[in-house]
Amino acid sequence: DPKIIQKPKYLVAVTGSEKILICEQYLGHNAMYWYRQSAKKPLEFMFSYSYQKLMDNQTASSRFQPQSSKKNHLDLQITALKPDDSATYFCASSQTGEHTGQLYFGEGSKLTVL
Amino acid sequence: AQSVTQPDARVTVSEGASLQLRCKYSYSGTPYLFWYVQYPRQGLQLLLKYYSGDPVVQGVNGFEAEFSKSNSSFHLRKASVHWSDSAVYFCVLSASSGSWQLIFGSGTQLTVMP
Repeated sequence: DPKIIQKPKYLVAVTGSEKILICEQYLGHNAMYWYRQSAKKPLEFMFSYSYQKLMDNQTASSRFQPQSSKKNHLDLQITALKPDDSATYFCASSQTGEHTGQLYFGEGSKLTVL
Repeated sequence: AQSVTQPDARVTVSEGASLQLRCKYSYSGTPYLFWYVQYPRQGLQLLLKYYSGDPVVQGVNGFEAEFSKSNSSFHLRKASVHWSDSAVYFCVLSASSGSWQLIFGSGTQLTVMP
């Protein structure tokens, strides 16, 4: 059974709309992350949270807003969608944060913006 | 600036052959280094990690990697590949202090021919 659940697996959106990507982890971890994998680019770090607090944000645009309603949840709200936002978004978690590196990844949510 | 370079975008080998996937990193401090693997339509999984000590580290499924500080490299090796090893392999760097993000290489697509 997957320990990190991402929903939806696939979604299509129109330019200008808003979507929320859901992530829940059942590993009992304290740190959660979002990474993005665009076509022809390496995985890019977006956000890290520890104990539901934002620790690092490498996303230039405020259109991307993480939301942590519970310790094991880290959703990603994306507003005013653009075609360049098309990517697979991976949620990850770790027991603790800060350079431990041993992350557990979900299967990703593939977003296509038309 | 920290970076990871995987010079080979695609590698094709025959089943039973030996394998080396190359990785070079750039980081002025002490790096934490990892190899992750991504099988089709799955999330990323940790293969092995290097923090310190013996420069040769063992991972799952017969993979190993060798750290070289003088060459700034962390190459992945396997003595005899299996068709199920076909996947994308990512070399990953974490700063040794104060960083919440992983720096991913662009990945190497490995195809094992039967």
